[in-house]
Amino acid sequence: DSGVTQTPKHLITATGQRVTLRCSPRSGDLSVYWYQQSLDQGLQFLIQYYNGEERAKGNILERFSAQQFPDLHSELNLSSLELGDSALYFCASSVDPPSGMKGTQYFGPGTRLTVL
Amino acid sequence: DAKTTQPTSMDCAEGRAANLPCNHSTISGNEYVYWYRQIHSQGPQYIIHGLKNNETNEMASLIITEDRKSSTLILPHATLRDTAVYYCTSADQKLIFGTGTRLQVFP
Repeated sequence: DSGVTQTPKHLITATGQRVTLRCSPRSGDLSVYWYQQSLDQGLQFLIQYYNGEERAKGNILERFSAQQFPDLHSELNLSSLELGDSALYFCASSVDPPSGMKGTQYFGPGTRLTVL
Repeated sequence: DAKTTQPTSMDCAEGRAANLPCNHSTISGNEYVYWYRQIHSQGPQYIIHGLKNNETNEMASLIITEDRKSSTLILPHATLRDTAVYYCTSADQKLIFGTGTRLQVFP
């Protein structure tokens, strides 16, 4: 158990819909990362938040957005869903030093999104 | 952006050492090398990290070349439960996980 929780575990929805994925980081971790993993693909970094502010951005679509709340939990919002958005979505958290370098990431169990 | 290159797949006999290479020739001087693994579709699990010196923990050893252009993760006595995809990455501002190395440990 990494200490990172993600809800829901599974999500089935239809094209065009909007969903919200939730992540609670490990106690004390200020950074939250979101990754997408499509079938048999590697982990694609989407976005990182540090203490409520966006710190780094990867290949995140404009239809996707995220935020980190004052209690440090994070939500990933996916809208206008397409079949190709079906994937595993992982959240990770870390304690990053002030220098800005990344710390060890601890991953949650993921949310499996299926778009029909 | 620092990029990593790993073999697509490797096999290892149970009880033998598994040596997984990673090329990170564009890594900058202050970037750490991190290794993670993912068993089936579970969340990736941290294994080990290092900067310049070789590192060892209860899970594995990490050997980093002097020029820091490559590293090798060593699982000293592989078990069937070590069958997983192993990712090498560097801790730069744009986190990049490649497709990793699929390690198959066989009896």
